[in-house]
Amino acid sequence: GAVVSQHPSRVICKSGTSVKIECRSLDFQATTMFWYRQFPKKSLMLMATSNEGSKATYEQGVEKDKFLINHASLTLSTLTVTSAHPEDSSFYICSAPSPGNYNEQFFGPGTRLTVL
Amino acid sequence: RKEVEQDPGPFNVPEGATVAFNCTYSNSASQSFFWYRQDCRKEPKLLMSVYSSGNEDGRFTAQLNRASQYISLLIRDSKLSDSATYLCVVAPSGTYKYIFGTGTRLKVLA
Repeated sequence: GAVVSQHPSRVICKSGTSVKIECRSLDFQATTMFWYRQFPKKSLMLMATSNEGSKATYEQGVEKDKFLINHASLTLSTLTVTSAHPEDSSFYICSAPSPGNYNEQFFGPGTRLTVL
Repeated sequence: RKEVEQDPGPFNVPEGATVAFNCTYSNSASQSFFWYRQDCRKEPKLLMSVYSSGNEDGRFTAQLNRASQYISLLIRDSKLSDSATYLCVVAPSGTYKYIFGTGTRLKVLA
């Protein structure tokens, strides 16, 4: 079946640095990808919709200058957490709609970010 | 009111038990419904889609009640490996966005 990968799986960084997370659709094209954030024991919250060839659409309350999204190709979307702070520490997960059934999404394995 | 609500649990049940989870949603125009399973520190994995007619996959049965705006998941003959968090997911009509419930934690005990 379709697979979505994320890299890195885990990152620890110092406060103030920027961190880039990659999301790739491995055997299918994805003009749309989604980025979620999950805090411990909380649900996944949609942050933004990444659109190939155009600007990302951010959910209410998500700072677009803080979380930069670039959908550079039909198989790659990147999320950059700029000037990361400890409160940005979270589990970041991307997803892409199934090419056969757009209502179904495939999730990447997630990236655990820890900001010291 | 949250868009998608679930009882967080945990539900502690013995092996072999039958357990049911409910989930309510607030947007009556919601189009698609799913149950996902999430293991600790892992990504969600699709358990099953939920159709108006209800659907069954082995030990798992999902039901949708549009009039009352809830969906349910029934697990029969629980296994230790069923221990996980079960996420209710709703996708509003006309969008591909997923709205997740907070999840219900299930622990199946030996």
